[in-house]
Amino acid sequence: SQQGEEDPQALSIQEGENATMNCSYKTSINNLQWYRQNSGRGLVHLILIRSNEREKHSGRLRVTLDTSKKSSSLLITASRAADTASYFCATDARTSGSRLTFGEGTQLTVNP
Amino acid sequence: EPEVTQTPSHQVTQMGQEVILRCVPISNHLYFYWYRQILGQKVEFLVSFYNNEISEKSEIFDDQFSVERPDGSNFTLKIRSTKLEDSAMYFCASTRGEGNQPQHFGDGTRLSIL
Repeated sequence: SQQGEEDPQALSIQEGENATMNCSYKTSINNLQWYRQNSGRGLVHLILIRSNEREKHSGRLRVTLDTSKKSSSLLITASRAADTASYFCATDARTSGSRLTFGEGTQLTVNP
Repeated sequence: EPEVTQTPSHQVTQMGQEVILRCVPISNHLYFYWYRQILGQKVEFLVSFYNNEISEKSEIFDDQFSVERPDGSNFTLKIRSTKLEDSAMYFCASTRGEGNQPQHFGDGTRLSIL
């Protein structure tokens, strides 16, 4: 299986609810990043968590990282219809300048 | 806020033709990347570029692909003889390259091979 696998593949919730997406990976990482992609658009960087961090917050986003389980989760609180997008985790294996390895993504739909 | 810009947004080309996709990375960034995303699939790494040379490439980046930084601002991806399976979104990204910096992506070029 691939480095960076997200689950669920698709998630549909009501506005105001929380959305949790999970990501697993296989190799050692330097950091893990979450990106959002609106349909047909580019990737927007949301948050980066380093391998020595366990939790990070940014606005309505909360990311956790468990390096012993090689997994991460992205929580979006109080979701809005505008949060509808695909969310990808991406791992960075080296200290600087290395490739990102993306997961399959979770398609989040927030219904008004 | 500075951003990565890509042109064109959509390119339609006949199979066998050469295409050049253009990117202007963020000005103080040192590492540049190309990724592609075939419709409905995940984003795949193609190549990274640092200090005027390729620093890493994937197995996708074969002899038909090349990259160039022709001046101080542009970063190009050339596909020499396009195939139907080259149809995809191509994303350029850049980063300062110091430890733990995010990569910033452009909006992509949709390449359609007929």
